[in-house]
Amino acid sequence: DVKVTQSSRYLVKRTGEKVFLECVQDMDHENMFWYRQDPGLGLRLIYFSYDVKMKEKGDIPEGYSVSREKKERFSLILESASTNQTSMYLCASSRGETSYEQYFGPGTRLTVT
Amino acid sequence: AQKITQTQPGMFVQEKEAVTLDCTYDTSDPSYGLFWYKQPSSGEMIFLIYQGSYDQQNATEGRYSLNFQKARKSANLVISASQLGDSAMYFCAMRGTTGANNLFFGTGTRLTVIP
Repeated sequence: DVKVTQSSRYLVKRTGEKVFLECVQDMDHENMFWYRQDPGLGLRLIYFSYDVKMKEKGDIPEGYSVSREKKERFSLILESASTNQTSMYLCASSRGETSYEQYFGPGTRLTVT
Repeated sequence: AQKITQTQPGMFVQEKEAVTLDCTYDTSDPSYGLFWYKQPSSGEMIFLIYQGSYDQQNATEGRYSLNFQKARKSANLVISASQLGDSAMYFCAMRGTTGANNLFFGTGTRLTVIP
């Protein structure tokens, strides 16, 4: 059974804190993605990675960075959390160029106070 | 630029009836793919169905079918024989053109099935 896991379902952080969101997939997928989901806006792509140590900016990368040191793990980093980063964060993975389906994790609901 | 539009913020359907969720898209790429995902209240995104731009026939997966009208740039999801468990958010998405095939999502439609 395919599996994408995220380190936390719920997270509360203070403004200015450094925040790490972890995502792990056990399907040996090449591609991994971070989205944020906000009501009325759907899902928006923050960053994605198509290989270890490779990363590409998505539509809304400002205020975020990512790290992919191992194939199965993709981390999203909020260098200095702000209240406008309160959101649901979803991680996904997909096999490669010829496989389009993305498998999603359960999401992390982050609240920045 | 690629864009997905879902104009129905919310829909209601009677149990056992069929329902159509609308999705229109815009792209200049001749090769593209369209997806529908379901998001129950638990939050996880569940893949439902995929349609490639060159596919000759409309995609079907069990009770789900995709009404693909290329000239109108629409990719509506049809759910037949609705069940209470179909109550969820539904997102239409389009495959991007990068090597990683990232997705562009619409804003979603909340479907409520009435007993």
